[in-house]
Parts: sequence; structure tokens; C-alpha cells
Amino acid sequence: DTAVSQTPKYLVTQMGNDKSIKCEQNLGHDTMYWYKQDSKKFLKIMFSYNNKELIINETVPNRFSPKSPDKAHLNLHINSLELGDSAVYFCASSQRRAIEKLFFGSGTQLSVL
Amino acid sequence: GENVEQHPSTLSVQEGDSAVIKCTYSDSASNYFPWYKQELGKGPQLIIDIRSNVGEKKDQRIAVTLNKTAKHFSLHITETQPEDSAVYFCAASNKVTGNQFYFGTGTSLTVIP
Repeated sequence: DTAVSQTPKYLVTQMGNDKSIKCEQNLGHDTMYWYKQDSKKFLKIMFSYNNKELIINETVPNRFSPKSPDKAHLNLHINSLELGDSAVYFCASSQRRAIEKLFFGSGTQLSVL
Repeated sequence: GENVEQHPSTLSVQEGDSAVIKCTYSDSASNYFPWYKQELGKGPQLIIDIRSNVGEKKDQRIAVTLNKTAKHFSLHITETQPEDSAVYFCAASNKVTGNQFYFGTGTSLTVIP
């Protein structure tokens, strides 16, 4: 069983479209995250949820909206996609809201044309 | 906020040789320093971590050293093998930042058979 799974793995879309990426973890963890990895491999946190509560919200455009229906799921919806949104998006989870090991999903490569 | 710098950005070694990757951090409150390995097409995976009350930690061919005074920590891989080829990320975190990890910019390691 995959611990942290995200779908889709690849997403190719036109500028201006709205798209969603889904993430699920079966580890029983309390905390989930979205990270963005740009073309230079730089990893930057976007959001973090602890038991469905938003605890980290970095300076991300409000076109990005995370949603956590339960603590095992954290989805990312992106409105009005722009060229600069092209990147790999990683979902991750950790057991608690603390300094803990992160478990990453395999990533969603988003290409905006 | 925390600033983590990582060097070198690329590293090539012959199989069997050692590889060393270095990171510096700026926030003296940082007390947890994990290292992640990212293979092509996959998410980062924790390979070793160290907390600030420890100066060195080893796990088989991998070791991490921490110098709190100088605010730097290093990853050492001995007897490198082709399967060690990947991108390696250091990170720093502390209680104040909670579960917000600040990642280095990554080192692409190539082990030449």
C-alpha cells in the first residue's frame, strides 16, 4: 500500500483553467502538507493542515485553495492557472504537528501551456 | 526566518569514493536537521536526521555531523554506489517554526560506475 498517494501524476492544462490535485495518506497521521518544487528543484512549503485545521499558509496566491475533508485527505484546487504555476507539487504527511519525519507522495507534475 | 544554504549543487564521484554535502543555517533556534534523498520521478525520502543535542549520527554508509556553534551540518556517504545517485536535500526546523521545514537548494549526486 502506498503511504501517501496523490493524483494525478501528470497534469497538462491550458492557462486560465481550474484544476485539482488530490492527496490521501493511510498512515493515520494528523498533519498534511503541500509543497511546491520548481524547475530548479527548490522545495517550498505552501500549506499545512493539522486535523483538518489550516496551520501554515505561506505567501501563496489566493488562486490556490487547499481543502481537508478529513485528516487523511488534503486536496489542492488551483483557479485561473498561470504559466508560472508549472511545477511539481508534493503532498506530505507527518505523525503530529511537531518536528517530525515527513512522508512525501510521488508528486504531481503540472504543466500549464 | 530561517535560511538554509547547501553546497555543492552538483557532485560527481567515482563508485567507492566518499561524498560530502554541506549545509549552513541561520536561525540559532533550529534544532532538527533531516536529510532527504529524491530519486528521479519520486518524492523526497528521509535518509537520516540529527537533533541539536547530538554532534554526529551514523547509519551504515551514511553519517551526519552537526556543528551548532558554526551553524553547519554535513552529510557523508562512504563507499558510494550507483544507486546513491539522486538529489539530496538538507533541511532545518525548530519548535518556533513548528512543522515548517526550510529546505536547502539540493545537491545532485552522480556516482560513476
